[in-house]
Amino acid sequence: RKEVEQDPGPFNVPEGATVAFNCTYSNSASQSFFWYRQDCRKEPKLLMSVYSSGNEDGRFTAQLNRASQYISLLIRDSKLSDSATYLCVVLNFNKFYFGSGTKLNVKP
Amino acid sequence: GAGVSQSPSNKVTEKGKDVELRCDPISGHTALYWYRQRLGQGLEFLIYFQGNSAPDKSGLPSDRFSAERTGESVSTLTIQRTQQEDSAVYLCASSSRTSGSYEQFFGPGTRLTVL
Repeated sequence: RKEVEQDPGPFNVPEGATVAFNCTYSNSASQSFFWYRQDCRKEPKLLMSVYSSGNEDGRFTAQLNRASQYISLLIRDSKLSDSATYLCVVLNFNKFYFGSGTKLNVKP
Repeated sequence: GAGVSQSPSNKVTEKGKDVELRCDPISGHTALYWYRQRLGQGLEFLIYFQGNSAPDKSGLPSDRFSAERTGESVSTLTIQRTQQEDSAVYLCASSSRTSGSYEQFFGPGTRLTVL
């Protein structure tokens, strides 16, 4: 079983839509959680960390459910510039485990 | 300030040749990671350096792969006797690991093609 699993998508949504991605992780002892964004043929960049109480950054909301071992990312009012692959990342004892990513296409 | 840099940006080699990939982390970052990303796939952990501690090599796929880091600066990833399945983008990331921050800053990657 993979450490981190994500729906690969693609999610095709119109501008202005709300879209949500989920990610599950296998190791209940995982310590920290993140969402990274990766544009086509570019390196990943940190979008936001995910805190136990949930956290929001503008149009982006991240939530963590430790009991069910899943992480979510909600994007409100999607913009064309949000089109990218979103990587779920879990930290276990100094090692980062990356999901394969969920591809988002925001259409005009 | 300067980010993580990697060289070369692209490398085409013939099967069986050795290649060396270089990573210059952000100055002061004690943690350095190497990952491999095959086309359409997620990032695969290869090796982790933290300060002067022994590196975590648990992700290296075979003994053809090795990596070194000089203190808290440059790192090189060496692949010996390259195979076609080694074709991928090799990404390096560094992190300061201070104040509980685990953000990794990635370099642009080296795209390796083995013919």
